Amino acid sequence: DIVMTQSPDSLAVSLGERATINCKSSQSVLGSSNNKNSLAWYQLKPGQPPKLLIYWASTRESGVPDRFSGSGSGTDFTLTISSLQAEDVAVYYCHQYYNTPDTFGQGTKLEI
Amino acid sequence: QLQLQESGPGLVKPSETLSLTCTVSGGSISSSSYYWGWIRQPPGTGLEWIGSIYYTGSTFYNPSLKSRVTISKDTSKNQFSLQLSSVTAADTAVYYCARRTDRIMHVWGKGTSVTVAS
Repeated sequence: DIVMTQSPDSLAVSLGERATINCKSSQSVLGSSNNKNSLAWYQLKPGQPPKLLIYWASTRESGVPDRFSGSGSGTDFTLTISSLQAEDVAVYYCHQYYNTPDTFGQGTKLEI
Repeated sequence: QLQLQESGPGLVKPSETLSLTCTVSGGSISSSSYYWGWIRQPPGTGLEWIGSIYYTGSTFYNPSLKSRVTISKDTSKNQFSLQLSSVTAADTAVYYCARRTDRIMHVWGKGTSVTVAS
């Protein structure tokens, strides 16, 4: 199985400041046939289902604010929130869908 | 708009079989190119992919659960289901169903909490 490791485990950022969450995979998730990284980011809030933010490492899901962005390739990826809003307090997970079984990072708790 | 809704008992006894259903509205589970899957989140921990069923009926399971998992679909009811046998307390979790496109889980149900206890 591909192991996904996020850092940090928790993060406190002031309103309006930048938040950066990292995700590292134990092997590359870059597809040779499509040249795409099979990496997604989800936001989880208590009592709500996971919300897809980013897929293919950098494609923003429809309706997701543009302050959320994803970057990286191969084994190292980053989720950036450019200007933190109060509603962004949540736990964030990276997810690789390159290999079966899908695996997720352990989560990063983002606080203000 | 596509919506998914999980349903099933919130309490299951140890060693019994957990059975959940995901009802799909606003779209057909027979539509080509979609996978329909189950994911869970035990309390205080992260997400775990359980398995998926393709519109053709082909199934894919997490090897860690494969011996206990069955995912099936009922196209007449526009539902797909999860059965997990021989449950223990470690199977206590919030269970989500989701639709996958290109292996990406764009749409999720709200989740249903299942506790395994006697």
